[in-house]
Amino acid sequence: NAGVMQNPRHLVRRRGQEARLRCSPMKGHSHVYWYRQLPEEGLKFMVYLQKENIIDESGMPKERFSAEFPKEGPSILRIQQVVRGDSAAYFCASSPPPRGGTYNEQFFGPGTRLTVL
Amino acid sequence: AQSVSQHNHHVILSEAASLELGCNYSYGGTVNLFWYVQYPGQHLQLLLKYFSGDPLVKGIKGFEAEFIKSKFSFNLRKPSVQWSDTAEYFCAVNALANAGKSTFGDGTTLTVKP
Repeated sequence: NAGVMQNPRHLVRRRGQEARLRCSPMKGHSHVYWYRQLPEEGLKFMVYLQKENIIDESGMPKERFSAEFPKEGPSILRIQQVVRGDSAAYFCASSPPPRGGTYNEQFFGPGTRLTVL
Repeated sequence: AQSVSQHNHHVILSEAASLELGCNYSYGGTVNLFWYVQYPGQHLQLLLKYFSGDPLVKGIKGFEAEFIKSKFSFNLRKPSVQWSDTAEYFCAVNALANAGKSTFGDGTTLTVKP
């Protein structure tokens, strides 16, 4: 059973370009989470998605950032018109649906390291 | 809102020393608690988790953590660290009321000297 897959692992963009980060959850997992890790900081929650639904996007910047998890295919985190401050590691995690009122642990992908020149 | 505080940003130990990493959370309801580890160049892996029951939970690689509800704490311990334990450790909390959104602490970097 493959783990959470993210691609690309490294992405370099110039200011003003678009960045697309992809995440394929573990088989059987219908919940996807995106986190951002800035240098010397912990993981900050960005968005929580289920198939075709955004459940919680309270951690997403109001502009330029969007996320989707279509019925078919990976989840996409899209950053438009990137700026230097967007340089960070972006981690995706997946989990199965909650059971009995408990959200299980999240399984993390290897991350995408975005560098904005 | 839930929050997590890890007291030590960077810990340096010699091999065979005992380890305790502090974690306190802020949330009034029922929570699930986790410790994750990130070895250099690798992605986060689960060390251990607490959902309910025995407040002393044992994880992989000899790690354990104790949930003390009255102190809102979930400290990570290991009696004798090894050089291979050098990594970054993250405490995390999630709650059903927050739809499973996990809040992470800022992490503690552990360096074990051989």
